[in-house]
Amino acid sequence: AQSVTQPDIHITVSEGASLELRCNYSYGATPYLFWYVQSPGQGLQLLLKYFSGDTLVQGIKGFEAEFKRSQSSFNLRKPSVHWSDAAEYFCAVTTSGTYKYIFGTGTRLKVLA
Amino acid sequence: DTGVSQNPRHKITKRGQNVTFRCDPISEHNRLYWYRQTLGQGPEFLTYFQNEAQLEKSRLLSDRFSAERPKGSFSTLEIQRTEQGDSAMYLCASSSDRVGTYEQYFGPGTRLTVT
Repeated sequence: AQSVTQPDIHITVSEGASLELRCNYSYGATPYLFWYVQSPGQGLQLLLKYFSGDTLVQGIKGFEAEFKRSQSSFNLRKPSVHWSDAAEYFCAVTTSGTYKYIFGTGTRLKVLA
Repeated sequence: DTGVSQNPRHKITKRGQNVTFRCDPISEHNRLYWYRQTLGQGPEFLTYFQNEAQLEKSRLLSDRFSAERPKGSFSTLEIQRTEQGDSAMYLCASSSDRVGTYEQYFGPGTRLTVT
């Protein structure tokens, strides 16, 4: 069955520290992968996407993600976290021929001053 | 581009009542999606439209739920005879149908509370 796993429900980092949020997927076809951020009471904002090509993709707000097919992973990284990055982060996957997303359960990021 | 808008933002209703939510997609987007998000979970797909045609429905969409997109513009999601289990955030998203385009843009959601 198709699924997306975000193993970390909560992560706490200090402001200025580096960040890595994990995402693993199980999908039969070529995946198209996304990271979204959701602030309290808000909808989802697209951070970055991967369709093909260079496996390291850059997004907004200084985020990047690396697609590793051999590990079925698409981890999100940021070299230096800002207090405003505190939010919930969702990994999502879809594929050609269907347009619905399958989301992970999310990782809630807390940033310590 | 004014983004995806949803109304109302919040709805409190009593069990057994009917509710209707509206979504206005980004104007040039032909695809429109509905998702449901409960506390502590990621959004779950409900249904999707290509223009006015409803092309896919999740089995989560029971017969109490109906969605329409007349004329391929805005969409409505109606829940009849609401149950407490329907309490959730209902998210709408839209996307272009250009070849190779898969990213979806989400609205702020409608939070439904069934008492």
